[in-house]
Amino acid sequence: EAGVAQSPRYKIIEKRQSVAFWCNPISGHATLYWYQQILGQGPKLLIQFQNNGVVDDSQLPKDRFSAERLKGVDSTLKIQPAKLEDSAVYLCASSFTNTIYFGEGSWLTVV
Amino acid sequence: GENVEQHPSTLSVQEGDSAVIKCTYSDSASNYFPWYKQELGKGPQLIIDIRSNVGEKKDQRIAVTLNKTAKHFSLHITETQPEDSAVYFCAASQNSNSGYALNFGKGTSLLVTP
Repeated sequence: EAGVAQSPRYKIIEKRQSVAFWCNPISGHATLYWYQQILGQGPKLLIQFQNNGVVDDSQLPKDRFSAERLKGVDSTLKIQPAKLEDSAVYLCASSFTNTIYFGEGSWLTVV
Repeated sequence: GENVEQHPSTLSVQEGDSAVIKCTYSDSASNYFPWYKQELGKGPQLIIDIRSNVGEKKDQRIAVTLNKTAKHFSLHITETQPEDSAVYFCAASQNSNSGYALNFGKGTSLLVTP
């Protein structure tokens, strides 16, 4: 079974630029999550989708972050404009029932 | 919201020894407690989980215990091996019809020396 796919794996941008990350969840998984993991910390939930609807986006900085999940499958997370403190790993995860599976992450460095 | 505290932040053991990592949670409504292992440059990988209706679960060298009254749970790794070296995260969440949104601890960096 294929895992959660994410791209790009690495991205370096200047502050105030924009970036987008893509996620393809495990086939059949209705729930999709985006987490932000700052170096040395645990992952923090940014947004949770159930099919193509948003369940929880209370910790998403909506002035600069946006996410969508068209057709209830793939998802994109966008940051515009990026700040230095956005440097982190962005983890996509998906689940069908109880177990949450994570992708390898997209590493973002903002300089 | 849920707050998960994890200790210790770093742990060094010799190969063959046991390692114990402890977590506490604040929300008594939490009922699902997974543990993840994260190797450098990779995403977190589920290694074991426990639900609030059981007090202990074991899978080969790994075990997890849960004390709902005290709101704490622990990961036990026996006969540690160098390949167990990684960062371990505990998490807590509530079951809902929309799935589990995990609240993570800050992680424990485990080093197993030969």
